[in-house]
Amino acid sequence: AQSVTQLGSHVSVSEGALVLLRCNYSSSVPPYLFWYVQYPNQGLQLLLKYTSAATLVKGINGFEAEFKKSETSFHLTKPSAHMSDAAEYFCAVSPIGNQFYFGTGTSLTVIP
Amino acid sequence: NAGVTQTPKFRVLKTGQSMTLLCAQDMNHEYMYWYRQDPGMGLRLIHYSVGEGTTAKGEVPDGYNVSRLKKQNFLLGLESAAPSQTSVYFCASSYGAPKVNEQFFGPGTRLTVL
Repeated sequence: AQSVTQLGSHVSVSEGALVLLRCNYSSSVPPYLFWYVQYPNQGLQLLLKYTSAATLVKGINGFEAEFKKSETSFHLTKPSAHMSDAAEYFCAVSPIGNQFYFGTGTSLTVIP
Repeated sequence: NAGVTQTPKFRVLKTGQSMTLLCAQDMNHEYMYWYRQDPGMGLRLIHYSVGEGTTAKGEVPDGYNVSRLKKQNFLLGLESAAPSQTSVYFCASSYGAPKVNEQFFGPGTRLTVL
């Protein structure tokens, strides 16, 4: 069975500080992994994806994530938070198939 | 390209009423999905389709029906709406197997059932 756990439903950081959003997954097969961002009253947009190439994946807006198989983790980071990063972030896993499984989301607040 | 569009954007129903949500995509994607988003629960898959004329159940299919008569459209129906179906509904589409690609999402439909 596939599942995704996002630790921390709410994360607050100061502007310019490191952003770390945690995602752990369970999967019966080597998965594809995704991070999406959702701004208020909008749909989800892809930030980055891991598809079994490089374990460190760079995405848009300065975000990156590292796939660690031994820890079954795919944490999202950004060195310096910007006010515009305030949003809801979702981690998702997809085994080789048709379905995607989403975490419950982490709301990021950036404090000026 | 418009991407993924959803109609309507907002709707209020009374318990027992029916309605259909329309999703359209212009990217020639094989796969299409319907999700519901509720606070603290992330996105949960209702139904999905891997091609024209095919549909399958997701995690929370009860109370919903779907149809994919045309490749570009995926309809979600509520035959007898219940307050528990108050939610934000998102449609998504993606390319199909063998590559697993990201999903492209529509802007959502906010549904309230009184």
